[in-house]
Amino acid sequence: NAGVTQTPKFQVLKTGQSMTLQCAQDMNHNSMYWYRQDPGMGLRLIYYSASEGTTDKGEVPNGYNVSRLNKREFSLRLESAAPSQTSVYFCASSEGQGTYGYTFGSGTRLTVV
Amino acid sequence: GENVEQHPSTLSVQEGDSAVIKCTYSDSASNYFPWYKQELGKRPQLIIDIRSNVGEKKDQRIAVTLNKTAKHFSLHITETQPEDSAVYFCAAKAGGSYIPTFGRGTSLIVHP
Repeated sequence: NAGVTQTPKFQVLKTGQSMTLQCAQDMNHNSMYWYRQDPGMGLRLIYYSASEGTTDKGEVPNGYNVSRLNKREFSLRLESAAPSQTSVYFCASSEGQGTYGYTFGSGTRLTVV
Repeated sequence: GENVEQHPSTLSVQEGDSAVIKCTYSDSASNYFPWYKQELGKRPQLIIDIRSNVGEKKDQRIAVTLNKTAKHFSLHITETQPEDSAVYFCAAKAGGSYIPTFGRGTSLIVHP
């Protein structure tokens, strides 16, 4: 039982490059989330998927897109990376409806130069 | 939407002391309040949570209390140990929302 698996763990991009962060969970959770974490800013929600087939914007969605590929997988895409997107990205999953705790992935440290 | 404020931002204690972190929230219909611990360089991990129909919950050295009238909830850690050093995040889920709102975090430092 791996929980939530995120890849890659580290990535350096040049401004304007694109990339996709992958996330998969094996707990049969309904809901999945992408957060970014910056110093002093806590955890900010980028996008979430309340259930398979649905996605919604969070607090900071600009510059990102997501795909809920199936119940297990939820990917985050940066189409044209900017230095402001330098951050640590966490994927998380939960049973759903917001009244269950999150299980987080190990994070992706992204640097955009 | 929900607004969560967390205090203090930094807390320094001696090993064996107690530590208390407090969060206030704005939506009186909020019904779920989790706490996460994040060690340096690691992922946040759920350590305890409480729902609005309960006033207090304990798990060994940690406890959470909820005061719905005052709209605040607190994390209490007793007999602190150096391994308790981490950033702690509170969160509150507003009524009608699927998404909890996180506080900005408290850096707890336990000195041996």
